[in-house]
Parts: sequence; C-alpha cells; structure tokens
Amino acid sequence: DVVLTQTPSILSATIGQSVSISCRSSQSLLDSDGNTYLYWFLQRPGQSPQRLIYLVSNLGSGVPNRFSGSGSGTDFTLKISGVEAEDLGVYYCMQATHAPLTFGSGTKLEIK
Amino acid sequence: QVTLKESGPGILQPSQTLSLTCTFSGFSLSTYGMGVGWIRQPSGKGLEWLANIWWDDDKYYNPSLKNRLTISKDTSNNQAFLKITNVDTADTATYYCARIGIYDGTYYPCWGQGTLVTVSS
Repeated sequence: DVVLTQTPSILSATIGQSVSISCRSSQSLLDSDGNTYLYWFLQRPGQSPQRLIYLVSNLGSGVPNRFSGSGSGTDFTLKISGVEAEDLGVYYCMQATHAPLTFGSGTKLEIK
Repeated sequence: QVTLKESGPGILQPSQTLSLTCTFSGFSLSTYGMGVGWIRQPSGKGLEWLANIWWDDDKYYNPSLKNRLTISKDTSNNQAFLKITNVDTADTATYYCARIGIYDGTYYPCWGQGTLVTVSS
C-alpha cells in the first residue's frame, strides 16, 4: 500500500499566519492517465471531512482561496495563506492513484 | 444540492454482520461517472477507505479487510449499501459514505454526516 507521511502532526498558528503542511508519498502518484490523484481534506471538530483540494491543486467548490495545493510525484504541500479561526481541525491528504486508496495520518491545526 | 446520509444498527455483537445504508439525493448512480465510497474512522483516529462502487457496478475493496466487505447499490431508490461480515471490536467506528464523480475531481467532494457503529458483547 502507498504510505502518505504528513508533517507536522501538530501545527500551532496565530490568526493571519501562513502555514504549510507536507504530504510525502512512498510512491509516485502520477497516474498513467496523466492525472495525479492527490487530495486534501479538512475535518473540523465534530464534523465530517470536507474536501479542500483535488488533483493536487484544484480548489474545491466553495473553498476559500486562502487554501492552495502544490506538488508533484511524491511531494505535496497544502498552504493556508492567512489562517482564520474556522480553519482549526485535522487536515488529511489522500491518494487515489494506487489501490487501495490511502490517507495520511493527519495534521492537527491549533489556533494560538 | 447533493446530500448523503448513512444509517446503521448503532450497536451489534462480535461475529455479527454489519449492514450500512447510504441514502443520497442530488445525483444518480445510474449516471455515467458517478459513484459512492465508504470510509470509516475509529474515535480519535484517522480515516480508512473501505470500498467504492461505480455507476457501471464496478466495485473496489480495501484488501486489508480481506473478503469481509460487500458493496452494492439500489439505483431506483438512490441508495448504496455496505456489509461487513464477522465484525469485532476493531470495527467500532464512525462510518461515512461520500460521492464520487469524474466531472469534479472524482473522489469525495461530498460526505454524509456519518453513523457511529459500536461492536460490543
């Protein structure tokens, strides 16, 4: 199975600060169809996960543009440009290039 | 507007079969490129993918659960189902269903609220 390693596991930020979360894959996530099936989700406390980013860098519907995704191959990054209070929760990356689909272990964002 | 809602037994005993239902609206599982996936999350832990079913009845399973999983759909009633046989305490989790659609990035743009399943004797 593809292992996704997220760092850091805990992130503490002040309102307005820009932060980044890394997701490194044990295998390249470039699919033979040319797509890279790497996703980012946010799970706020007590809520279901919400998709933020799809196919590495595409912003999900209704997602604020302070969120951005980048990367290729095995290294990917989620950036929040100006953290807001509502951004607290656990962020997960997920890959769907290789079966079975796998998730990273999560990064908890705390607001100072 | 897409909505999904999971339902299940709440509590069941070890060795029993867990039956889950995902009732959805705003899309059809008879439409090309659509699908539903199941994902679970033990309390305080991470997400684990279980299975996907597509409009054409293609099915994919997480091999870590070996042959315990069966995913199916009822297109007419806008429902998807997941069965897990021979449950034990390790299957205690919140179970989510989520939409799949090839026109908007494919995987999981919309999730249900989840249903908590507890396996206990």
